[in-house]
Amino acid sequence: DQQVKQNSPSLSVQEGRISILNCDYTNSMFDYFLWYKKYPAEGPTFLISISSIKDKNEDGRFTVFLNKSAKHLSLHIVPSQPGDSAVYFCAASGSFGNEKLTFGTGTRLTIIP
Amino acid sequence: ETGVTQTPRHLVMGMTNKKSLKCEQHLGHNAMYWYKQSAKKPLELMFVYSLEERVENNSVPSRFSPECPNSSHLFLHLHTLQPEDSALYLCASSQDMAGAAGGETQYFGPGTRLLVL
Repeated sequence: DQQVKQNSPSLSVQEGRISILNCDYTNSMFDYFLWYKKYPAEGPTFLISISSIKDKNEDGRFTVFLNKSAKHLSLHIVPSQPGDSAVYFCAASGSFGNEKLTFGTGTRLTIIP
Repeated sequence: ETGVTQTPRHLVMGMTNKKSLKCEQHLGHNAMYWYKQSAKKPLELMFVYSLEERVENNSVPSRFSPECPNSSHLFLHLHTLQPEDSALYLCASSQDMAGAAGGETQYFGPGTRLLVL
């Protein structure tokens, strides 16, 4: 049973518009969430994270929103650029010491020039 | 060379072969991880090492055998694999095992794409 779900395997967005990637989780013990970005032939790289004590975290063009009551988080990229084309993984963990990361299946984002 | 490196990048092996995957991190980190990514599945944590001691083994079959000779190197020894073991095997490292909530970002290598025939 997947505890972290990314229900959209792919998403295409016009360059300059907003990209919104969604992630849902089922484990109420999760309280730290991360987004990783993966280019082909490379490993995932950390992008942005959010703690459950916040509902929003912003870093440049990237903003992550967390809705704890809905167990839902989203990553907004604005404006989208061609270099943003990649697979985006959502991950979650608890906060009791060395909690492992639980990943979603990823969403492939394609930015159309 | 910097970051996390993995060799080989691609590997094809028969079910009776023995091979090893190698991971090396040049970041001075104390924790290292093996993940498996199968098609259309999430990354699955296989093993965790902290200060060269194995601290987690996520019910991985014994045909996968990890080895951590020092804090910079991690191996995954493979023997008598099955075709369903074909996947991308990713190595990662983090400064310590405090967990993501403790601010410990994991840095991933590029992965070894394994095909078992």
